[in-house]
Amino acid sequence: QKEVEQDPGPLSVPEGAIVSLNCTYSNSAFQYFMWYRQYSRKGPELLMYTYSSGNKEDGRFTAQVDKSSKYISLFIRDSQPSDSATYLCAMSEGSGYALNFGKGTSLLVTP
Amino acid sequence: GAVVSQHPSWVICKSGTSVKIECRSLDFQATTMFWYRQFPKQSLMLMATSNEGSKATYEQGVEKDKFLINHASLTLSTLTVTSAHPEDSSFYICSARSVPGQGHNTEAFFGQGTRLTVV
Repeated sequence: QKEVEQDPGPLSVPEGAIVSLNCTYSNSAFQYFMWYRQYSRKGPELLMYTYSSGNKEDGRFTAQVDKSSKYISLFIRDSQPSDSATYLCAMSEGSGYALNFGKGTSLLVTP
Repeated sequence: GAVVSQHPSWVICKSGTSVKIECRSLDFQATTMFWYRQFPKQSLMLMATSNEGSKATYEQGVEKDKFLINHASLTLSTLTVTSAHPEDSSFYICSARSVPGQGHNTEAFFGQGTRLTVV
């Protein structure tokens, strides 16, 4: 079993919809949780970074971490066609540790 | 956010030749840099962890003599693919973590990636 599981999709939603992206993990030592957005043939771009359980909001994005369930989510409100990309969850045991990535979920927001 | 510059963004080389990829942290010092490889529609797979001034730590299955990593300064790490073969064709991405206390969290920032094609 991979340490980080993420449904690859693809996920297609109409413009303006709320998007929910999720990852589960098995390593209880993970402390840092990140969401990255990756456009085709580009490096990942950091969207959200959380350390503890709970919610963190930044504009249209909300990251949610539930350590007891080993489950993290990213919500995108009022989705836009420009949000179409692959979203990768990543997590690590601490600073200086490499990130463990999910496979990425491909999102398509249609006008 | 912090900026990590990776160069070149794409390269085509002949089988048997070597290719060097550079990763620079432009506005922060990076004690640790990571090198990843990503195949189409796959996640990023960690190849090696590079700490400034010491030897890189390679993941299982990654040949250290084939993928040479040098982290000579706090702002530069290089990956050299030696004697490249078509199966080495992939998307290579570096990331860098800042030294604590520089105003950035310890999240990793990624370069733009390098598309390597070996013909």
